[in-house]
Amino acid sequence: EAQVTQNPRYLITVTGKKLTVTCSQNMNHEYMSWYRQDPGLGLRQIYYSMNVEVTDKGDVPEGYKVSRKEKRNFPLILESPSPNQTSLYFCASTPSPNSNQPQHFGDGTRLSIL
Amino acid sequence: AQSVTQLDSHVSVSEGTPVLLRCNYSSSYSPSLFWYVQHPNKGLQLLLKYTSAATLVKGINGFEAEFKKSETSFHLTKPSAHMSDAAEYFCVVSLEYNFNKFYFGSGTKLNVKP
Repeated sequence: EAQVTQNPRYLITVTGKKLTVTCSQNMNHEYMSWYRQDPGLGLRQIYYSMNVEVTDKGDVPEGYKVSRKEKRNFPLILESPSPNQTSLYFCASTPSPNSNQPQHFGDGTRLSIL
Repeated sequence: AQSVTQLDSHVSVSEGTPVLLRCNYSSSYSPSLFWYVQHPNKGLQLLLKYTSAATLVKGINGFEAEFKKSETSFHLTKPSAHMSDAAEYFCVVSLEYNFNKFYFGSGTKLNVKP
């Protein structure tokens, strides 16, 4: 089954404790992206990747890192999480970086930073 | 600058009546436009997309949207609402000069009353 898988689905942690949210897709998609969703703001793009070893900032990259060492994986790293990063996070992928292609989304990761 | 505006944060309709969810975008570039639906505790699912072909786009579950360039609008409609349509809906824009970035509206929550 074609899917985007995020782990964990839920995480409660404390300020400053490094964490990684994994994202994996099995569709051989070139393009992957991370978003955060906050009430009343819709989804905002954090980082995206057009292919292996090619990443770029979205609209809200501060406090986040990403890597793309393999095509299928695109982890989101919070080196020193802070409470303002409490949010619902989504990973998405598309076949290619082309505006004609819709995105496939994971089921989300709810992070709470205390 | 570009933006996506969903004019209503909440819409409430009775089952069997028409649905209208409004979306306007601002951009001087040709856009690709998408509507996504998000059910509670789920990721986003594509309903339909506009990519400079026919201006009236038909999607899944009986939804359709019309691209009106003169009005910079891409409103989502459905002739008859079902209870299962209750969800949050997002209008999304991607622009031809930078199709790696996606801009989300703030979302419209659709409530369907029996």
